[in-house]
Amino acid sequence: EPEVTQTPSHQVTQMGQEVILRCVPISNHLYFYWYRQILGQKVEFLVSFYNNEISEKSEIFDDQFSVERPDGSNFTLKIRSTKLEDSAMYFCASSGLTGAPPQYFGPGTRLLVL
Amino acid sequence: RKEVEQDPGPFNVPEGATVAFNCTYSNSASQSFFWYRQDCRKEPKLLMSVYSSGNEDGRFTAQLNRASQYISLLIRDSKLSDSATYLCALYGSGNTGKLIFGQGTTLQVKP
Repeated sequence: EPEVTQTPSHQVTQMGQEVILRCVPISNHLYFYWYRQILGQKVEFLVSFYNNEISEKSEIFDDQFSVERPDGSNFTLKIRSTKLEDSAMYFCASSGLTGAPPQYFGPGTRLLVL
Repeated sequence: RKEVEQDPGPFNVPEGATVAFNCTYSNSASQSFFWYRQDCRKEPKLLMSVYSSGNEDGRFTAQLNRASQYISLLIRDSKLSDSATYLCALYGSGNTGKLIFGQGTTLQVKP
């Protein structure tokens, strides 16, 4: 069964450093998403991406965040200058041609900012 | 009122029990609803979509009540492996595929 993959599985960084989280969506999917989940809290939408541009972003997704699809397979989330409160699990998701459900989630990257 | 609300639980039930969770939503225009399952420190996995007419998949039944703005998930004959957090989700407005999740309801099935 096709799956979304994410690297790294864990990342520890110092406050103020830049991090790039990587995702490989399912190959024939066209809609891509990033979500985050702070420990003990709900899954929160960050951004949706279609046709090489952001289609929607949340209030969380401020100027410190950016997304990119640098080639035909990868989808990245960059946090330019990490803050302590960016510590969370970051999930990438993708969905098929129509953007209809289901959205398939990757296993996540656990980010810890010290 | 929160967009999506769930009772966090935990619901502690014996094996074989029937258990039901509700999830309320605030936007009456919401059209698409889902139940996801999340195991500890893992990604959400789609359990089932919720259709207007209700739908069933094995031991799992999902219902939608538009008048009262809630969806429900019923699990019959609970198994130990059903222990997880069950997330209610719906599509946000704007047709971008954005999912709005509830806090989740934790189920613990005990032998």
